[in-house]
Amino acid sequence: EVQLLESGGGLVQPGGSLRLSCAASGFTFSTYALSWVRQAPGKGLDWVSVISGSGGSTNYADSVKGRFTISRDNSKNMLYLQVKSLRAEDAALYYCVKGFCGGDCPSDDAFDIWGQGTMVAVSS
Amino acid sequence: QSVLTQPPSVSGAPGQRVTISCTGSRFNIGAAYDVHWYQQLPGAAPKLLIYGNSNRPSGVPDRFSGSKSGTSASLAITGLQAEDDADYYCQSYDSRLRGVVFGGGTKLTVL
Repeated sequence: EVQLLESGGGLVQPGGSLRLSCAASGFTFSTYALSWVRQAPGKGLDWVSVISGSGGSTNYADSVKGRFTISRDNSKNMLYLQVKSLRAEDAALYYCVKGFCGGDCPSDDAFDIWGQGTMVAVSS
Repeated sequence: QSVLTQPPSVSGAPGQRVTISCTGSRFNIGAAYDVHWYQQLPGAAPKLLIYGNSNRPSGVPDRFSGSKSGTSASLAITGLQAEDDADYYCQSYDSRLRGVVFGGGTKLTVL
């Protein structure tokens, strides 16, 4: 069974940092791009970042560029998101999501597997 | 304000047909980027419902269908059932923003 399990969320003060992790299983990890998508309480979905299967290509939403860093360890089937300089508007449930297409995929690929999310709260 | 515009809410009685629109621009849907649809049940993670404008993943009932024309896309649900009561999101890619974009979501209420 394909699974994604996020961890690392918590309560952080404004300006603080966290490292979110996502453990993957049930598929050939290095073949698929992975993304982070967040959802503030009671709000819609907000794409954050994507990393290619090899890890050699990354992209970020403008709202997090320069503050968040996505990475992956294909030897451990792990995805990470280092979040820094956190703001109140970053508070959300952060989902780890798997790209639908394997290999060299277009930018408009779908997300076929979602984790259950890890919550990030930002408050002083 | 979302790049892709969806109605905040739609409703229908059991057995009826409803459609949810997703309106974009020449930078996303109109630029021939694919549209995908997700269903999010209360308290759950989103689930892929339609990919590549009109394709259903294995296990998704054929009551759900997607279409795209010009700068808009639509999700149609026929034979509404109580378990369809959920939030629905469209997704595409925007060449001006150079990133994935979602619609603001539509709350479907089954009366």
